[in-house]
Amino acid sequence: DADVTQTPRNRITKTGKRIMLECSQTKGHDRMYWYRQDPGLGLQLIYYSFDVKDINKGEISDGYSVSRQAQAKFSLSLESAIPNQTALYFCATASGSSNEQFFGPGTRLTVL
Amino acid sequence: QKEVEQNSGPLSVPEGAIASLNCTYSDRVSQSFFWYRQYSGKSPELIMSIYSNGDKEDGRFTAQLNKASQYVSLLIRDSQPSDSATYLCAVNGKVNYGGSQGNLIFGKGTKLSVKP
Repeated sequence: DADVTQTPRNRITKTGKRIMLECSQTKGHDRMYWYRQDPGLGLQLIYYSFDVKDINKGEISDGYSVSRQAQAKFSLSLESAIPNQTALYFCATASGSSNEQFFGPGTRLTVL
Repeated sequence: QKEVEQNSGPLSVPEGAIASLNCTYSDRVSQSFFWYRQYSGKSPELIMSIYSNGDKEDGRFTAQLNKASQYVSLLIRDSQPSDSATYLCAVNGKVNYGGSQGNLIFGKGTKLSVKP
């Protein structure tokens, strides 16, 4: 089945460490997104990409960077992790004009 | 700044009842509206999309859109304990992509609890 996968699913790290979260999709979608979710704050858009050569900041991009290595791969990096980046991170994809987004299973990140 | 507002709940309904979830949005030009279901610790799952005024039915779910009043609602008929989850309303954002609007603004969600 066409799917969106995220690795790792869980990660515990220490303050100051560099972390990379990876997202892959077999849906053939051109658009990819990274969100974080904190209790009570809903989904916040970090970065998004409409195709391989397009990268855009979302509402909370500070402290994060991304790389779109291929149409199917979109990685999120935390260059120097801090405790308030502890959250659930989701990748999503979309295609066409419908704007329907499909989410990966998420990565639970804990920064100590 | 576009906003999407939902009552955080929890909304508690008995099994078999109709659950009614509401969402209001601030941008009059929004064109696409979505409902996602999210179980605790899991990812959001798309359950309904609606683009035109009126009702759209899919099984036990009905989405209702009123652009003049800027609200969208989700009705769940014959509610089951398995429907207990947080429901997220999403509205298309302002970024253009090939004529469509390529990102979504999410509400914070309404937590639904269906009691057996």
